[in-house]
Amino acid sequence: GAVVSQHPSRVICKSGTSVKIECRSLDFQATTMFWYRQFPKQSLMLMATSNEGSKATYEQGVEKDKFLINHASLTLSTLTVTSAHPEDSSFYICSARDSRNGRTRTYEQYFGPGTRLTVT
Amino acid sequence: GDSVTQMEGPVTLSEEAFLTINCTYTATGYPSLFWYVQYPGEGLQLLLKATKADDKGSNKGFEATYRKETTSFHLEKGSVQVSDSAVYFCALRNFGNEKLTFGTGTRLTIIP
Repeated sequence: GAVVSQHPSRVICKSGTSVKIECRSLDFQATTMFWYRQFPKQSLMLMATSNEGSKATYEQGVEKDKFLINHASLTLSTLTVTSAHPEDSSFYICSARDSRNGRTRTYEQYFGPGTRLTVT
Repeated sequence: GDSVTQMEGPVTLSEEAFLTINCTYTATGYPSLFWYVQYPGEGLQLLLKATKADDKGSNKGFEATYRKETTSFHLEKGSVQVSDSAVYFCALRNFGNEKLTFGTGTRLTIIP
């Protein structure tokens, strides 16, 4: 149990276009999902916390108009990179927190496999 | 702010060798400490954790002890297997906070 999927696993897009990445919790409901970004040889950096039915909370320095997050259901959050540029090329990882009764207090996050974005 | 520093890789060992991956941290308050593992093509999985000083987390033959005096949480395994080849991340989370702070990850390769 506690599987999180991401789609696509890899995407290449042209500069100036927008790209949507999906994060799904497959066998549990998640009121809270997280989006991370990972640069080569660097740690995962939290970009934003996504809450179902409300606006995402962005970390300092993350452009909310560039990285649009939507969490419209208990099993799906999307990250849209708008007007992508080569510097947005990175590995994007999502995680989800199990919302089932009794599990929320553990704060444990379940991670997706990541999406490699390349902007040319 | 909070930070995690872990041993740079890549690390290559022979099967049945002893493994240590160092991890030290800086944090305000009383963090919980974690090791996550990422196998090729998969998401990060929680390997083990410790929530207070002197706690030892263990799983699948891996161990790590929460050392407050040295602010460390080194990962060890007595005899590694080829199937242990993966990227290992050390992380912390401060009390009452959902946010995880990660180290840079250490790629481990075990050769037969």
